[in-house]
Amino acid sequence: GENVEQHPSTLSVQEGDSAVIKCTYSDSASNYFPWYKQELGKGPQLIIDIRSNVGEKKDQRIAVTLNKTAKHFSLHITETQPEDSAVYFCAAIITGTASKLTFGTGTRLQVTL
Amino acid sequence: ETGVTQTPRHLVMGMTNKKSLKCEQHLGHNAMYWYKQSAKKPLELMFVYNFKEQTENNSVPSRFSPECPNSSHLFLHLHTLQPEDSALYLCASSPEGGVGETQYFGPGTRLLVL
Repeated sequence: GENVEQHPSTLSVQEGDSAVIKCTYSDSASNYFPWYKQELGKGPQLIIDIRSNVGEKKDQRIAVTLNKTAKHFSLHITETQPEDSAVYFCAAIITGTASKLTFGTGTRLQVTL
Repeated sequence: ETGVTQTPRHLVMGMTNKKSLKCEQHLGHNAMYWYKQSAKKPLELMFVYNFKEQTENNSVPSRFSPECPNSSHLFLHLHTLQPEDSALYLCASSPEGGVGETQYFGPGTRLLVL
């Protein structure tokens, strides 16, 4: 089955700096890659996603890049703010089944003042 | 808010107790999911329901028993649990359970088994 690895497990940046979180996946058939943000006491919330037919997608301060050949994708957050502090999860979907997302282990991002 | 609610938010139970977790979605979706979230581990898919029919059981022990009476409600019945079952249990929904659909998560029930 699919295996998703996520790095780093923790990341601390100063406010205004950029943050990058990287994930690799094993199943070359995966074609949908969402990113979720989980704040304390809440469930994961989708913040951005990318499909395998594009290499990059941007939404204001967040962007995701996908390298299908290398089977890795990354989340980029620019101009970080304290409210960006949360746990971020990447995921990849196994095609052919009903939305069976395989998640990474999460990255705890801390944005310091 | 995502439109997916879960009750209770916190639950403490002994290994001989029977309890149920409830999930309700107000999004008009037809697919619902149970996930287990443990510390330092990836989210684990437990069950999937599409149009009230169970389409996925990810090798979950029988001490967890799901129930989906309609497309808006999902239950997880718990009995004779083990301490290692302590975790955050998340419910999610999506429009039709298709590949590539966005899933919307509830806030979770934090379960502690003593």
